[in-house]
Amino acid sequence: QQQVKQSPQSLIVQKGGISIINCAYENTAFDYFPWYQQFPGKGPALLIAIRPDVSEKKEGRFTISFNKSAKQFSLHIMDSQPGDSATYFCAASIGVNNAGNMLTFGGGTRLMVKP
Amino acid sequence: GAGVSQSPRYKVAKRGQDVALRCDPISGHVSLFWYQQALGQGPEFLTYFQNEAQLDKSGLPSDRFFAERPEGSVSTLKIQRTQQEDSAVYLCASTPGSGRGDTGELFFGEGSRLTVL
Repeated sequence: QQQVKQSPQSLIVQKGGISIINCAYENTAFDYFPWYQQFPGKGPALLIAIRPDVSEKKEGRFTISFNKSAKQFSLHIMDSQPGDSATYFCAASIGVNNAGNMLTFGGGTRLMVKP
Repeated sequence: GAGVSQSPRYKVAKRGQDVALRCDPISGHVSLFWYQQALGQGPEFLTYFQNEAQLDKSGLPSDRFFAERPEGSVSTLKIQRTQQEDSAVYLCASTPGSGRGDTGELFFGEGSRLTVL
């Protein structure tokens, strides 16, 4: 059972544009929602994360929007740059500091930002 | 300081061979995770250690997969009698652990890419 569904699978955006990636989850016990960025040949690296007690979190050009009632959250990349070209994964877990921090990942979105 | 180190970075095995993948977590990190990432997919949880104790191995796909962390630091993921469906990138991640400034961020290594022919 895929507990976190991510879309689109791939995305092409012009430099300076806005990249939007969406995720939906099923397990209402999830309470920690990070986004990871992965470059080819590298491991995923945390980009930004949100808890369900807020509806939005912004860090620089990256914003997470969270809709608890719809069980959806999204990543917005403003002023997208060619250096943002990577694969992005949403994820979810039950608790942050409990034993495990076991993350359930979405299937990934391959973003290409054209110069 | 050094990040999570994994070796080998690339491994080609013939079907039926045993393989061992090593993970050196960030020094002092208590929690260690193994994930499997198939081509074009998101990482999938395999197993979790807190120090030397394997607290969750629910993601191991079969009894051919075995992980250990005998001294609470370096971990080894062993796959016996490899099959073609085992071909994937195996990612190791570590965190400081609960009560040690753990923010929930997983620090991943670059992975070991296993190809089974």
